[in-house]
This record gives sequence, structure tokens and C-alpha cells, in this order.
Amino acid sequence: EAEVAQSPRYKITEKSQAVAFWCDPISGHATLYWYRQILGQGLELLVQFQDESVVDDSQLPKDRFSAERLKGVDSTLKIQPAELGDSAMYLCASSPSTGGEEQYFGPGTRLTVT
Amino acid sequence: DQQVKQNSPSLSVQEGRISILNCDYTNSMFDYFLWYKKYPAEGPTFLISISSIKDKNEDGRFTVFLNKSAKHLSLHIVPSQPGDSAVYFCAATGANSKLTFGKGITLSVRP
Repeated sequence: EAEVAQSPRYKITEKSQAVAFWCDPISGHATLYWYRQILGQGLELLVQFQDESVVDDSQLPKDRFSAERLKGVDSTLKIQPAELGDSAMYLCASSPSTGGEEQYFGPGTRLTVT
Repeated sequence: DQQVKQNSPSLSVQEGRISILNCDYTNSMFDYFLWYKKYPAEGPTFLISISSIKDKNEDGRFTVFLNKSAKHLSLHIVPSQPGDSAVYFCAATGANSKLTFGKGITLSVRP
């Protein structure tokens, strides 16, 4: 069964350092999402791509976060510089459509900023 | 402003009994609702959904009920099994196709 791949699974970094996460969606899925889940909170959408274009990045802290999906397939989310408050689970999801229904999630990257 | 609310952070039930997980929403433009289940160290997985044109959707042990007038939905798990122990997220979407998630509820099923 096709799955969304993410790496690394765990990342520990010091504040002010740069960190990057990678996501490979299910083949053929045009829509890719990056979410952040702070412990005890719901999932917060950071950015949504339709193919290589950003559809929604209204909640992305653009002073330090950036995301790209250059060829409309895999995607990278970067944080520079990392802050203590960035410690969270970063989840990638993909969907065959833009309808918002049934998104398929990867296992996530657990980021700890020290 | 939290548009999807899961007011109870946790629920504990006995194996074999019914689990009822509740979710409230405030945005009347939501027309499609989903439940996701999440185990530790894994991403959420889709469980069941319901369109606003329905008031009930059933899939095996899982049933979701929607009360549009009350802006309330619930997930019923019958019978509950220890493997159902997980965090359950309620999510809603509307015309903008954006999924809005609740904070989740941790279900513990005691053997």
C-alpha cells in the first residue's frame, strides 16, 4: 500500500540552527500539506501545495519558515533559525484532490529544539 | 477562535463497552466532517467521514452521527477494543477545502 514518506523521523537541534524536513507524497497525489502539531494541540496547517504552487500559506511564519515543492512531487520544509517554540511534530499529508477530504498522513518528524 | 472543539481531552472505557467521542463546531459553512485516529509516533489515519446531507454513517464498529442544528457530531465505537486506544481527531471542511482539526481526545480502552 502506498504511503507518505517523511524524514527524518526525529530531529534534535539547538536554537538558532537551521533544520529541514522532507516529504514524499503518495504517487499521483497533486495536493500536499504540511501541518504542525504542538503537544496537546490540534493540527495546524502551515502550507498547502497544489502541484508546485502554494495554495495556502497563511499560517506559515514566513520570517523563519519556508517550504518548496519544486517539481510538484516531493517537498521540503525549512526552519531557519529554529526557536524553542518550534518543538513539535511536523506532519506531511497528501491528497489526490483539493477537496479537503481524506488526506493521507506520513509518520511525521518529531522536532526538539534545545 | 477554535472552530472545531473537542472539549474532553480524554476518555476511558471498558473493553466491550461503547465509546462515544464528541465534537462541536461553530462554522455553519462546514459541510464535510472526518474522524482521524492517531497512534503514538505515527501520523493520523482516516477513520470515517460524513457529509452534511446525512445524519449517520456506519462502518463496522464505527458510527458517526451528525446533528447539524446543534453543530455537533459524535463517533461511536461498539464494541470498544484495546487496540482502539489512540488519539482521535475530529476535522471539518467546507467550500475552501481546508481541513480544520480539533485538539483531539485520547481514548483508553481498558482490558
